[in-house]
Amino acid sequence: DIVMTQSPDSLAVSLGERATINCKSSQSVLYSSNNKNYLAWYQQKPGQPPKLLISWASTRESGVPDRFSGSGSGTDFTLTISSLQAEDVAVYYCHQYYSAQYTFGQGTKLEIK
Amino acid sequence: EVQLLESGGGLAQPGGSLRLSCAASGFTFTSYAMSWVRQAPGKGLEWVSGISGSAGSTYYADSVRGRFTISRDNSKNTLYLQMNSLRVEDTAVYHCAKTVGPTKGYFDYWGQGTLVTVSS
Repeated sequence: DIVMTQSPDSLAVSLGERATINCKSSQSVLYSSNNKNYLAWYQQKPGQPPKLLISWASTRESGVPDRFSGSGSGTDFTLTISSLQAEDVAVYYCHQYYSAQYTFGQGTKLEIK
Repeated sequence: EVQLLESGGGLAQPGGSLRLSCAASGFTFTSYAMSWVRQAPGKGLEWVSGISGSAGSTYYADSVRGRFTISRDNSKNTLYLQMNSLRVEDTAVYHCAKTVGPTKGYFDYWGQGTLVTVSS
């Protein structure tokens, strides 16, 4: 199985400041035939199911604020929130779909400092 | 509007069985792969099982292989998870999730989930 490791486990950032969450996969999730990274990011707020933010490592879903961005390739990926808002408090997960044995990162809890 | 509504959760004894259902609407069900993803209380997301749109391919996490069976009835727009030989560590909220295509991919819609509690 592909192991996904996020860092940090928790993060406290001041309102308006940048938040950065990292995700590392145990093997590359870049598919050479189409040059796409099979990596998604989700946001989960308490009592709610996860919400898709970003697919293909860097494609923002419709309706997701542009302060959210994804980057990286191969085995190392980053989710960046450029200017933290109060409504961004949540747990964030990365997810690899390169293998049909899907796996998620352990989650990163984002709070307001 | 895409809707996924899980049911069938509840209390089961260790070694017991439960069958979860996920009623789907708002999209052409047979065209999309589906998965079950669980979340133990206070823990992260764990993918459990997936099935292709045609039901021709099924996939399982090592933690449930041989105990759980995923299936779908495309005539009823319903996804199932038959859970046998339940263990205490299977206690979790079970979400069904829609994949963006007929085979593997990311999840664009999730249900609210149904709680499974395994306890004596």
